[in-house]
This record gives sequence, structure tokens and C-alpha cells, in this order.
Amino acid sequence: QTVLTQPPSVSGAPGQRVTISCTGSSSNIGAGYDVHWYQQLPGTAPKLLIYTNSNRPSGVPDRFSGSKSGASASLAITGLQAGDEADYYCQSYDDRLSGSRVFGGGTKVTVL
Amino acid sequence: QVQLVQSGAEVKRPGASVKVSCKASTDTFRTYDINWVRQASGQGLEWMGWMSPRSGNTGHARHLQGRVTLTRNTSISTAYMELSSLRFEDTAVYFCVRGKGFLQPFDSWGQGTLITVSS
Repeated sequence: QTVLTQPPSVSGAPGQRVTISCTGSSSNIGAGYDVHWYQQLPGTAPKLLIYTNSNRPSGVPDRFSGSKSGASASLAITGLQAGDEADYYCQSYDDRLSGSRVFGGGTKVTVL
Repeated sequence: QVQLVQSGAEVKRPGASVKVSCKASTDTFRTYDINWVRQASGQGLEWMGWMSPRSGNTGHARHLQGRVTLTRNTSISTAYMELSSLRFEDTAVYFCVRGKGFLQPFDSWGQGTLITVSS
């Protein structure tokens, strides 16, 4: 089973804002470990979207933003575009699982 | 542009083993860890393990204990993931992924290798 909990899907109209939650526990996000986010477009490998909770790699539009509070994190997409339709995954570290990196189950973003 | 280039798709019988390769740049091999992540069709991402190409140190997900072996050939900057005693549920796309330490993000992904376990 997945260690980090994400909603299976979110949707929004073009131009709208959507948020994706990522809920962990006291052995991962709640323990202070950072959260990273990945975007996986259909048929492609995942790509780093947000690192260390709220930082964007070069080339990622500022429409994407991340935050973290307590044992949860969230990803926000503003000005939703058709090209944002993808699966999004959060990832962190869990100290209960012998150095394991852990992922959320993924959230499918649909642009209506 | 960071590149991780993986070997091609394979079909294996249940109980067999498979070895996937991942060729990286010399700089990546010197500076970063190589992780392995898999994804079954229509499913999420599952972290499998990591290896330091510099030291050869490895770690892996507990549920894969005894079945996954991570190795490398430093002379050709290539990492390998071998999975043994294959089961139908091991059918997935396997990615090699670059990272740096336990807490840093995975900043570059290979193209993926489809492993199909079928009788």
C-alpha cells in the first residue's frame, strides 16, 4: 500500500486553479522530511516538478507551486492549461522503512 | 542534458531473472546515486532501491529483500538492476533515476524498460 495519500483525481476548467494534497505521517512528512513532486505526461517518464517542498527546477512555469505544513504537502496549479493534463506524484523519505523513499499513489489532473 | 539510457524491453517466464542496464554520463556516475523505480500498467510509482556508483553501497525496499541486486560497472558508467524469482506482478516499466542522498529529489529519469512476466 502507498505510504503517502493523494486524491485519485482532480479536475478543472482551463484557467482555473487546482490543488493536490499529499498526506503523510510522523515517520515521513510529519518528521520534517522534504516533499518533492513529479509530473508524468501520458506515455512518458516522470519529470521533477517541485523539489524541497516549494522550489521549481529551471524551466518549470511559476503556475506550479508547492507548500508543506505538518504532515501534509500540496501542489497548486494556477491558470490550468490542456498541457497540464497528467499524473502528479508526491515523494518523500520514510525513516521507519530502512531508508525508503516513498511515493503517493498519484493524482490524475483532468482539464475539462 | 542529463541522460540515463536503459536497455530494451524483455519478456520473462515466472521464476526467471532479469537484468536491466542503465548507462549514465561519467559525471553522473561520479557524483550521484542511481535509484530504481517501477510502475505497473495504470499504477503508481514504487521505489525499489538505490546504489552509490562510487562506493558500491546499496539499499532496497524491504518487500524486495533477497530478490533485487544492484550492481555497477564503473569503467562504462553503467548501473544494473537484477530482479530474481520473477512473478506475474513484477510486470512493469522499470526506471533508473538519478538522485543524491536519501533526502534529495530524483532529478533525472531514464526512458524506462518494460519487463513482462508471462508464461
